[in-house]
Amino acid sequence: KQEVTQIPAALSVPEGENLVLNCSFTDSAIYNLQWFRQDPGKGLTSLLLIQSSQREQTSGRLNASLDKSSGRSTLYIAASQPGDSATYLCAVEPPNDYKLSFGAGTTVTVRA
Amino acid sequence: NAGVTQTPKFRILKIGQSMTLQCTQDMNHNYMYWYRQDPGMGLKLIYYSVGAGITDKGEVPNGYNVSRSTTEDFPLRLELAAPSQTSVYFCASRPWTSGSHEQFFGPGTRLTVL
Repeated sequence: KQEVTQIPAALSVPEGENLVLNCSFTDSAIYNLQWFRQDPGKGLTSLLLIQSSQREQTSGRLNASLDKSSGRSTLYIAASQPGDSATYLCAVEPPNDYKLSFGAGTTVTVRA
Repeated sequence: NAGVTQTPKFRILKIGQSMTLQCTQDMNHNYMYWYRQDPGMGLKLIYYSVGAGITDKGEVPNGYNVSRSTTEDFPLRLELAAPSQTSVYFCASRPWTSGSHEQFFGPGTRLTVL
């Protein structure tokens, strides 16, 4: 059974600092990995999706890397802003399946 | 496109009551999912559907039922509500495609069982 872990559970940084969020998974046989953002009391918004054949994806200040062999993904957020404060979740999809396995998330606070 | 919509946004139930959480998507997605999220935890899959008329159990299906009579709608039924079903429920969908399997989520229903 795939286990997805996100450490730390919470992170507080001053504005302008770069954020590094970690996601690890136990089974390296994945189809893709997806990073989501969740604001308090809201649903999930997809940020980046990395296919298993890719090493990284970028969107604006966000960059996500994937190392399947070691079972790790990292989400980098450059020059953090107070508006980046949210919970970030990662999820992995196995091949030939339709279901995601989620980590518990990292709650980020960016202090002005 | 409205995307994935869920109703109601909030609900309080008494133990033993029943209710249906509604989910509708207007993106013509084949796959639909129901998740629950407990405080400090990741999302756990309750049920999913790969198309109209086809549903299957996820990780935590006990106490719930679903149906999928149309592509657009995927209601979740709670029978005999229990305090353990207090949670936030999310519906999601994604297209059938050989490429990106990005899932799109609704805003959630916050349910409290007292």
